[in-house]
Amino acid sequence: DIQLTQSPSFLSASVGDRVTITCRASQAISSYLAWYQQKPGKAPKLLIYDASTLESGVPSRFSGSGSGTEFTLTIGSLQPEDFATYYCQQLNSYPQYIFGQGTKLEI
Amino acid sequence: EVQLVESGGDLVQPGRSLRLSCAATGFTFDDYAMHWVRQSPGKGLDWVSYISWNSGSIAYADSVKGRFTISRDNAKNSLHLQMNSLRPEDTALYFCAKESPNGSGYYKPFDLWGQGTLVTVSS
Repeated sequence: DIQLTQSPSFLSASVGDRVTITCRASQAISSYLAWYQQKPGKAPKLLIYDASTLESGVPSRFSGSGSGTEFTLTIGSLQPEDFATYYCQQLNSYPQYIFGQGTKLEI
Repeated sequence: EVQLVESGGDLVQPGRSLRLSCAATGFTFDDYAMHWVRQSPGKGLDWVSYISWNSGSIAYADSVKGRFTISRDNAKNSLHLQMNSLRPEDTALYFCAKESPNGSGYYKPFDLWGQGTLVTVSS
């Protein structure tokens, strides 16, 4: 089974910072990776799919890159509403829609 | 309004059963595959089960295979998860999620989620 490892698990940052979260797959998954944002007590929200395609309505300060086994989510200039937990999800291996363990972004 | 609303979560004893439901509104339900995803308290997201638009294809995580059964009723725009032989480790917030029509691969991301329903398995 494919495993996803996110780093770091916790990230402390300030409003206006540029931050990057990494997701590594245990085997190549082409570009079949999505990123989600989850705020406390809320459902996850799709941010990016196909590794780099921004979901409709998601602010352009969010961007994704990578292919194969290494992927990144970058937030260009942190806003107060961006402090949340972020998850990657692989979409290469049917039907095991595995998620990474999450990265908590804190002030 | 486009939304998913889960129901059916409860406190149950180990070994008992529970049936979760997810009501879909605001979109053509039978156009999309659906999933259940769970989140144990303070933990990450765990995919549980998948059902195709016409129920022709179904899959489960190894941790629930043989105990959980996913189903859907397209006439009633509803998704269900029958959970048998519940264990304490099944304690979680259960989300239903809709597959996106977007994505270049065969397997699509999840673009609509419900708010979740809490299942607690404890004696």
